[in-house]
Amino acid sequence: NAGVTQTPKFQVLKTGQSMTLQCAQDMNHEYMSWYRQDPGMGLRLIHYSVGAGITDQGEVPNGYNVSRSTTEDFPLRLLSAAPSQTSVYFCASSRSPREQFFGPGTRLTVL
Amino acid sequence: AQSVAQPEDQVNVAEGNPLTVKCTYSVSGNPYLFWYVQYPNRGLQFLLKYITGDNLVKGSYGFEAEFNKSQTSFHLKKPSALVSDSALYFCAVRDGLTGGGNKLTFGTGTQLKVEL
Repeated sequence: NAGVTQTPKFQVLKTGQSMTLQCAQDMNHEYMSWYRQDPGMGLRLIHYSVGAGITDQGEVPNGYNVSRSTTEDFPLRLLSAAPSQTSVYFCASSRSPREQFFGPGTRLTVL
Repeated sequence: AQSVAQPEDQVNVAEGNPLTVKCTYSVSGNPYLFWYVQYPNRGLQFLLKYITGDNLVKGSYGFEAEFNKSQTSFHLKKPSALVSDSALYFCAVRDGLTGGGNKLTFGTGTQLKVEL
């Protein structure tokens, strides 16, 4: 199993640009989530999904969209990038209520 | 609402000495508690969890944690620290009553530095 994969590893955007962070898992987990990690703030939940076709907002959803058309994929879209979205983004999956498996992360810089 | 506190930004310990990384939590119902470790430029790796059962939980790499309901704590411990244990450690909690899936709340992290 590849586990949780994320692409790209690094990305630089200009303010106002849009992009999609990709996340995929091959463990047939129903639960997937997106977090952002900022220094001194731990990980904060952006959006999550409890199964294909079902998504909901986390703690910091503004400026981000998600969809879950398949069990395997959970892309995160930045609609109009802002410098405040400079962060490291992690995708995770699990079978609730067990431990979450994390991807390697995407380091995003918005200029 | 659920929350987690890790009161120490950094913990320094000499190799071979015991280590403790502190975590306290707040939830409405019964807690599900987790510890994760993050090495530089890597994702988070699961160490151990408490869902139910024995208060002392054993996990990966010789780590263990003790669930204390009266003190709402879940401190991470290891009897003998190694230099390779140096990393960023996160405590996380979810409310056992939450119906919205496996939503975790993370602490701000504790940097563990083990020195020779």
